Amino acid sequence: DADVTQTPRNRITKTGKRIMLECSQTKGHDRMYWYRQDPGLGLRLIYYSFDVKDINKGEISDGYSVSRQAQAKFSLSLESAIPNQTALYFCATSDTDRAYEQYFGPGTRLTVT
Amino acid sequence: DQQVKQNSPSLSVQEGRISILNCDYTNSMFDYFLWYKKYPAEGPTFLISISSIKDKNEDGRFTVFLNKSAKHLSLHIVPSQPGDSAVYFCAASRPGGSQGNLIFGKGTKLSVKP
Repeated sequence: DADVTQTPRNRITKTGKRIMLECSQTKGHDRMYWYRQDPGLGLRLIYYSFDVKDINKGEISDGYSVSRQAQAKFSLSLESAIPNQTALYFCATSDTDRAYEQYFGPGTRLTVT
Repeated sequence: DQQVKQNSPSLSVQEGRISILNCDYTNSMFDYFLWYKKYPAEGPTFLISISSIKDKNEDGRFTVFLNKSAKHLSLHIVPSQPGDSAVYFCAASRPGGSQGNLIFGKGTKLSVKP
């Protein structure tokens, strides 16, 4: 079984809808991250969490919110989706000591029409 | 303004030869530099890292070189294999408590031809 799983893998939604992307990990890591990737661009950090009670904004947090329900679960919400949030979304985890070595899920392809 | 730049969107190399992927950065406060590899329809996977206090790190066929005065790093793959064909992302990590807050380049697509 995969160490980092994301659901759904693909989602098409309409402008203005609320949507939640979910991430689960079995690696036992404290830190979890949400990134988005746009065509021709690198990954950009949306939010990251050091533990259940510590959540931090990344480079592009506007329009997104997150919830760390447990050490193993970190969800990303789009309260009112807009077309420029169409992207590939990745969840990642890391150990505290080597936080730069991150383990990524397979990604969620989100399309907002 | 991009803090981590990969100026070559693509690179094509013959199997068995050396692949050299380049990356430039602007922030001298970064403490670790990383390379991630990504295959289509998969998440990125960590490949190799280098501390800002080192100038070289080697792991099998992969070697990363860091030139701090030029704010430049490169990934060498020797010998290149068709299975190395992927997108390679350079990334940098801020120090201390923000260590997991990575800044990624736009990626270089490597094609290794048999």
